[in-house]
Amino acid sequence: DQQVKQNSPSLSVQEGRISILNCDYTNSMFDYFLWYKKYPAEGPTFLISISSIKDKNEDGRFTVFLNKSAKHLSLHIVPSQPGDSAVYFCAASLHTDKLIFGTGTRLQVFP
Amino acid sequence: DTEVTQTPKHLVMGMTNKKSLKCEQHMGHRAMYWYKQKAKKPPELMFVYSYEKLSINESVPSRFSPECPNSSLLNLHLHALQPEDSALYLCASSSNSPGSGYTFGSGTRLTVV
Repeated sequence: DQQVKQNSPSLSVQEGRISILNCDYTNSMFDYFLWYKKYPAEGPTFLISISSIKDKNEDGRFTVFLNKSAKHLSLHIVPSQPGDSAVYFCAASLHTDKLIFGTGTRLQVFP
Repeated sequence: DTEVTQTPKHLVMGMTNKKSLKCEQHMGHRAMYWYKQKAKKPPELMFVYSYEKLSINESVPSRFSPECPNSSLLNLHLHALQPEDSALYLCASSSNSPGSGYTFGSGTRLTVV
């Protein structure tokens, strides 16, 4: 049972444009949602998080939106840069130390 | 120091071998984790230590044995592994702040032959 899903395995975006990565979840009890970026042969790097009581959080080029009624969150990257090319994982926490990861979306930013 | 350091980076072991993976953090984080990641899959939680005590074991086979000697160190002892245990093993740590995210190490690429 995959509680956190990223339905798009890959996304290709031109440099300078907006990248939108989507994530859906099933458990309404999740209290925090996080986004991680991963390069090959490296561990995931934390990008940004959002509390379940908020609907938007912004940090520089990264903005996360949360729609609780739809059980959906998205990560916007504006403007996209070639260095943003990586696999992006959304993750959710459940009032404990347990973090559940989504299936990942590979983002490619081309010139 | 804002890093989680994992050693070794690569490990090849036979099914009868005993080996250990090591993880170290000096950020004063109170929780440490072991995750396993197979190719093209998300990281899967194995163990959680909170304040040096095992708090979560995700029904991991006993051939994997975690150990937390102190608040900065986390080990994963391996014995009698199977080829299907080959994966990237990731260590992470976190503070008490909800939503602050985990800090991950670069992982140990394990191959069981």
